[in-house]
Amino acid sequence: IAGITQAPTSQILAAGRRMTLRCTQDMRHNAMYWYRQDLGLGLRLIHYSNTAGTTGKGEVPDGYSVSRANTDDFPLTLASAVPSQTSVYFCASSESWGLAPNEQFFGPGTRLTVL
Amino acid sequence: AQKVTQAQTEISVVEKEDVTLDCVYETRDTTYYLFWYKQPPSGELVFLIRRNSFDEQNEISGRYSWNFQKSTSSFNFTITASQVVDSAVYFCALSEAYSSASKIIFGSGTRLSIRP
Repeated sequence: IAGITQAPTSQILAAGRRMTLRCTQDMRHNAMYWYRQDLGLGLRLIHYSNTAGTTGKGEVPDGYSVSRANTDDFPLTLASAVPSQTSVYFCASSESWGLAPNEQFFGPGTRLTVL
Repeated sequence: AQKVTQAQTEISVVEKEDVTLDCVYETRDTTYYLFWYKQPPSGELVFLIRRNSFDEQNEISGRYSWNFQKSTSSFNFTITASQVVDSAVYFCALSEAYSSASKIIFGSGTRLSIRP
């Protein structure tokens, strides 16, 4: 059982290029999330999905898009990468949000550098 | 608005010392949840604890303990008899209840280094 997998592990990308970070979970969790982690800023939510077919914007959604075609996959796309998107990206999942927020399970992260 | 403050950016102690990581939060909600996560050098975040706003009992799990005080809006984390394996970045987080996933807020983290 892998939990959450992310691909690629790391990537160097030229500014202006399109990039999709992949995230797959095998826990059948309804909710999934994308965060970016920057030094001194902690984790900031980019986009989330409460259930398959729905998505929502987090704290820093600009420049990113997501889709949730099924329960397991939650890809994050940078349509035209910029250097300020250099960061470590974490995907996470949890059981249904519902009345009480559940613990989140995190993937290993993707280190993205935009030059 | 919600806010989580972890004022201690970095802490370094010698092994076997006790250490407390501070977390102060702000929220207007009466029902909310607090979390602590650990991020070891490997990078993956690991859940440690969840506490709801109605439960102010302190919690102890082995060498870890948490002190939740609504009067001071704090949810501090203490490691007793620290070990080198405790070296990590620790994040405190706050979430409203009955809300969507957009309402979880993480603090900026405290980097804890345990020296042998």
